[in-house]
Amino acid sequence: DQQVKQNSPSLSVQEGRISILNCDYTNSMFDYFLWYKKYPAEGPTFLISISSIKDKNEDGRFTVFLNKSAKHLSLHIVPSQPGDSAVYFCALDTGGFKTIFGAGTRLFVKA
Amino acid sequence: DTEVTQTPKHLVMGMTNKKSLKCEQHMGHRAMYWYKQKAKKPPELMFVYSYEKLSINESVPSRFSPECPNSSLLNLHLHALQPEDSALYLCASSPFQGDKHFGGDTQYFGPGTRLTVL
Repeated sequence: DQQVKQNSPSLSVQEGRISILNCDYTNSMFDYFLWYKKYPAEGPTFLISISSIKDKNEDGRFTVFLNKSAKHLSLHIVPSQPGDSAVYFCALDTGGFKTIFGAGTRLFVKA
Repeated sequence: DTEVTQTPKHLVMGMTNKKSLKCEQHMGHRAMYWYKQKAKKPPELMFVYSYEKLSINESVPSRFSPECPNSSLLNLHLHALQPEDSALYLCASSPFQGDKHFGGDTQYFGPGTRLTVL
């Protein structure tokens, strides 16, 4: 049973436009959510996070939104740049060191 | 130094071989992790060490044996692996902060070791 779902395996966006990556989770007990970015031949890199006491966190071009009632998380990248092309993993920190990752969404930003 | 390093980058081994993967961090992190990642799948947690003690073993087969010699080093000893164990093995570390609402416990990943079992 997948506790974290990223239903879009891939997303293609034009440079300069907004990229929106979505994530759904099943367990309302989770209280800390993260996005990681992964380039080929590299390990995942932390991008941005949000705790359950907030509904929005912004860091430069990256904003994460949390809708607890819908158990939905989204990452907005604006404006998108070709260097943003990577696989993006939504991750949930269950506490006690366990982090559950979604299957990932591959983002292509076209120049 | 904000890096997690892993050696080797690539490893090819037979089913009767014994090999080890190594991971090192010098960020003073007190938690270290091993993950396994198959192609087009998310990383799957294998083991977690906190303060150099094994905290989590996700029912990993005994042919994988972790070791944490000190707070900066993490090894994964491999013996009698199967071809289906071929994957990218990722090491990560985290500061281990107790209160998630003040920053959480972000994990820092190494580049991984690409393992092929013949």
